[in-house]
Amino acid sequence: GAVVSQHPSRVICKSGTSVKIECRSLDFQATTMFWYRQFPKQSLMLMATSNEGSKATYEQGVEKDKFLINHASLTLSTLTVTSAHPEDSSFYICSATTSGRDNEQFFGPGTRLTVL
Amino acid sequence: DQQVKQNSPSLSVQEGRISILNCDYTNSMFDYFLWYKKYPAEGPTFLISISSIKDKNEDGRFTVFLNKSAKHLSLHIVPSQPGDSAVYFCAALQSNSGYALNFGKGTSLLVTP
Repeated sequence: GAVVSQHPSRVICKSGTSVKIECRSLDFQATTMFWYRQFPKQSLMLMATSNEGSKATYEQGVEKDKFLINHASLTLSTLTVTSAHPEDSSFYICSATTSGRDNEQFFGPGTRLTVL
Repeated sequence: DQQVKQNSPSLSVQEGRISILNCDYTNSMFDYFLWYKKYPAEGPTFLISISSIKDKNEDGRFTVFLNKSAKHLSLHIVPSQPGDSAVYFCAALQSNSGYALNFGKGTSLLVTP
């Protein structure tokens, strides 16, 4: 149980385009989803926290107009990188928690974004 | 500002020996700590965790020790196996503050035959 999927696993896009990444909890209802970003050989940095049906809470330094997060249902959160630029190239990972198991975060497999 | 620190970027251990991965934190409000194992281009996989009310938690070959006064925790793997080779991330959270994880930079463990 507690499986989180991400789609796509890899995406290559041109500079200026927008890219949407989906994060789904497959067998549980995710009350909270988190989006992380990892640069090569760096830590996972929290970008934002989203609760179903409410606006995401962004970490300091993360542009909310640049990284649009939607958590429309208890099993789906999306991250849209708008007008992507090469510096947005990174590994994006989502995680999810469920009510009653708040200390446990279940991670997705990640999405490798490359912006040309 | 990095609140969780893993000061050893890499560690090499012989198969069968003990691997000790260390982690320090600065925020005394953290009350739950986790270790994750990660391969390149994959999401982290949960290994073991410990609550701040405990000082030790054991699960098979993995044991986590917590020293709250020193704000230090460590992951012991014994005996180490080549399949343990991966990057290990220490993470901490403050349970009354949204459960967001604060990660260290990771330690790359190589277990040699």
